[in-house]
Amino acid sequence: AQSVTQLGSHVSVSEGALVLLRCNYSSSVPPYLFWYVQYPNQGLQLLLKYTTGATLVKGINGFEAEFKKSETSFHLTKPSAHMSDAAEYFCAVSGGRDDKIIFGKGTRLHILP
Amino acid sequence: DAGVIQSPRHEVTEMGQEVTLRCKPISGHNSLFWYRQTMMRGLELLIYFNNNVPIDDSGMPEDRFSAKMPNASFSTLKIQPSEPRDSAVYFCAIQVTEAFFGQGTRLTVV
Repeated sequence: AQSVTQLGSHVSVSEGALVLLRCNYSSSVPPYLFWYVQYPNQGLQLLLKYTTGATLVKGINGFEAEFKKSETSFHLTKPSAHMSDAAEYFCAVSGGRDDKIIFGKGTRLHILP
Repeated sequence: DAGVIQSPRHEVTEMGQEVTLRCKPISGHNSLFWYRQTMMRGLELLIYFNNNVPIDDSGMPEDRFSAKMPNASFSTLKIQPSEPRDSAVYFCAIQVTEAFFGQGTRLTVV
């Protein structure tokens, strides 16, 4: 079985500052890991995913995440926050292709001017 | 969003009425999921289908909820009778490796 924990339901950063959203997972099999973003009144949009191979994954809008098996983590980062990054971010895990995806409770990112 | 069309986008209904939410996947997939999102409980998986067959419906909250997938291009989620606590945004998603979400249906039961 899989589960995911996102640390911090709300995170605030200043525009131009580093964005770090934390995610830890639990999985009984090699996991597939995802980050999604949700803007108001919209569905979830995939930011990036890790399935196999390189552990540093680059996504859209300048975001990246690193799979660290030893720490069971998949934290999301962006070097410089932009006002347009304000949204809710979801970390998710699955046991592989066609396995159900389990989502964390989400982290709302606030960008301070 | 391009892979899934949900209708209606908004639904307001009175308690006790039947509600049917619709999902039309428009690209190839093996699996289809229904999720419910609320402020209190976040994003909950209700049910998922693989090759049009329900695989896991353990997330369906009560017998008032039912879902069908008669073919690969259509699925419905029905609530009968509806209650105010069913008010939420309901998402349909298709999955190959990652999930592709529809825009959601915002349901309000008054």
